[in-house]
Amino acid sequence: SQQGEEDPQALSIQEGENATMNCSYKTSINNLQWYRQNSGRGLVHLILIRSNEREKHSGRLRVTLDTSKKSSSLLITASRAADTASYFCATDETSGSRLTFGEGTQLTVNP
Amino acid sequence: GAVVSQHPSWVICKSGTSVKIECRSLDFQATTMFWYRQFPKQSLMLMATSNEGSKATYEQGVEKDKFLINHASLTLSTLTVTSAHPEDSSFYICSARSTRGETQYFGPGTRLLVL
Repeated sequence: SQQGEEDPQALSIQEGENATMNCSYKTSINNLQWYRQNSGRGLVHLILIRSNEREKHSGRLRVTLDTSKKSSSLLITASRAADTASYFCATDETSGSRLTFGEGTQLTVNP
Repeated sequence: GAVVSQHPSWVICKSGTSVKIECRSLDFQATTMFWYRQFPKQSLMLMATSNEGSKATYEQGVEKDKFLINHASLTLSTLTVTSAHPEDSSFYICSARSTRGETQYFGPGTRLLVL
């Protein structure tokens, strides 16, 4: 079952703007991962943040994790049209070795 | 980065036939592979976890006799959809976790259309 909830479900912004997506979860986790999926394609791993980390950066991506609130956010700075895709958070739960995916955010970056 | 391939990338079959999908980790060994199904505009739903040399663990509601999983080597897992029906039409995605890592690497997916 899906434990993650993401908001917004859809986000439309102009090129150059920042995009923020949020993810909430319910159980204890080892880490939380963000993935990107272009329409009809496989998933691309973006970034992993461990449960003892609060913030992580990778290029134009910034991820935060608040384990007390069981939430995470993904910030894409200076967005580009090529960033248009669906973004999913996935939690690696302490109770098992599998990933549980959120519902996803459809990001559209308009040129 | 690690590469996972899937074959075929898409398949159209008649109702009642069986379809086999292969998932390979190309440059790393994967003791665990995962099979997901994704319907249009929805998230990924885990179907089963495949461990090399042992029986797969299926998620609740997934019929193990309909979705046969074999993980015969550290680089190959197969999913066979038996007696496929139109409602099995979906996007099937596999992923592999390396023996040393936390990250799952995903294949490009297989689109199945059952007529």
